[in-house]
Amino acid sequence: DQQVKQNSPSLSVQEGRISILNCDYTNSMFDYFLWYKKYPAEGPTFLISISSIKDKNEDGRFTVFLNKSAKHLSLHIVPSQPGDSAVYFCAASAYNYGQNFVFGPGTRLSVLP
Amino acid sequence: SAVISQKPSRDICQRGTSLTIQCQVDSQVTMMFWYRQQPGQSLTLIATANQGSEATYESGFVIDKFPISRPNLTFSTLTVSNMSPEDSSIYLCSAVGGNNQPQHFGDGTRLSIL
Repeated sequence: DQQVKQNSPSLSVQEGRISILNCDYTNSMFDYFLWYKKYPAEGPTFLISISSIKDKNEDGRFTVFLNKSAKHLSLHIVPSQPGDSAVYFCAASAYNYGQNFVFGPGTRLSVLP
Repeated sequence: SAVISQKPSRDICQRGTSLTIQCQVDSQVTMMFWYRQQPGQSLTLIATANQGSEATYESGFVIDKFPISRPNLTFSTLTVSNMSPEDSSIYLCSAVGGNNQPQHFGDGTRLSIL
């Protein structure tokens, strides 16, 4: 049973437009959420995180929104750039579980010039 | 953020052999982890590498198959033992400085077993 789901395996967006990547989770104990970006032949790179006491966190072009009641979070990238083309993983952890992160299956974002 | 170096970056191994992957962090970290990413899959946690004690393994992973060492706060190794083609994966090391902080990853070791 997947505790972290990313239901869109791929997404294509035009350069300059907004990219919205979605993530759903099932475990109500999760209290810390992160987004990672992964290029081929590289390890995942941390992008942005949010704790469960917030509903929004912004860092430059990247904003993460958390809806705890819906157990849903999303990553918005505005404006999208061709260099954003990568696989994006959503991850979640629970303080009581230590630092074990559970990763979603990933969404491949393609930003078209 | 911590810089994590993994080696080898890739290897091709014969069935039945073992390979040890090294992970070096440029600063002291509280926790280190080993993940596996099978082709087309997400990252799956193998174990938490505990400094000075036995690693904590996730369900489906055992010490005999994936022995792990962590002799100090900046270094860990993962051995993939008695390899079979099903072990062909990317193996990733990560480290974190404390609770509710992001894990940072090495670039991974791409392992192919013939």
